[in-house]
Amino acid sequence: AQSVTQPDIHITVSEGASLELRCNYSYGATPYLFWYVQSPGQGLQLLLKYFSGDTLVQGIKGFEAEFKRSQSSFNLRKPSVHWSDAAEYFCAVGIKAAGNKLTFGGGTRVLVKP
Amino acid sequence: KAGVTQTPRYLIKTRGQQVTLSCSPISGHRSVSWYQQTPGQGLQFLFEYFSETQRNKGNFPGRFSGRQFSNSRSEMNVSTLELGDSALYLCASSPGTGLAEKLFFGSGTQLSVL
Repeated sequence: AQSVTQPDIHITVSEGASLELRCNYSYGATPYLFWYVQSPGQGLQLLLKYFSGDTLVQGIKGFEAEFKRSQSSFNLRKPSVHWSDAAEYFCAVGIKAAGNKLTFGGGTRVLVKP
Repeated sequence: KAGVTQTPRYLIKTRGQQVTLSCSPISGHRSVSWYQQTPGQGLQFLFEYFSETQRNKGNFPGRFSGRQFSNSRSEMNVSTLELGDSALYLCASSPGTGLAEKLFFGSGTQLSVL
């Protein structure tokens, strides 16, 4: 069964600084990969997704992610963080045969210092 | 276009009771998935319904069940509630059951079991 690991539970970053969130997955083939963001008490909003093709994926809110097959990683980055980026971020994987079933990582909570 | 609507937003029950949660998908969406989110276990897939049929099921006991109606609205039921069932229950809808479709999440129903 596939699994997803987000090694960092909490990350604190200064406003204007760059941000990188790590995600590693375990699966025999290349799964579909997603990053979601969740604000307190809210549902999940899709930031970006990777299915195939260009390994650098652009998303909403200035986020991008890079798929590295050799490292089984799909790390999320943002060049300059805004205070509104404080939230919890989830990496998720899925496989076509499983329909809309996603396996999520444990999440990384991002705190933004002024 | 209205988003995914989950009702009620908050719910308090006592052990042994049963509960029904409702999810109205985005108009035109035929797939509805349910997830449980807890601090300890994170986000876990419960089941997916597509065209009134259960498409996929996660590793939850039989106390957790669901159904989908002809208008794509979905309900999930939890019988004989346990303290550990306290969680945020998220519903997501999609136009179809393939992962190429974008999942839209609702804001969730926060269930507290006392």
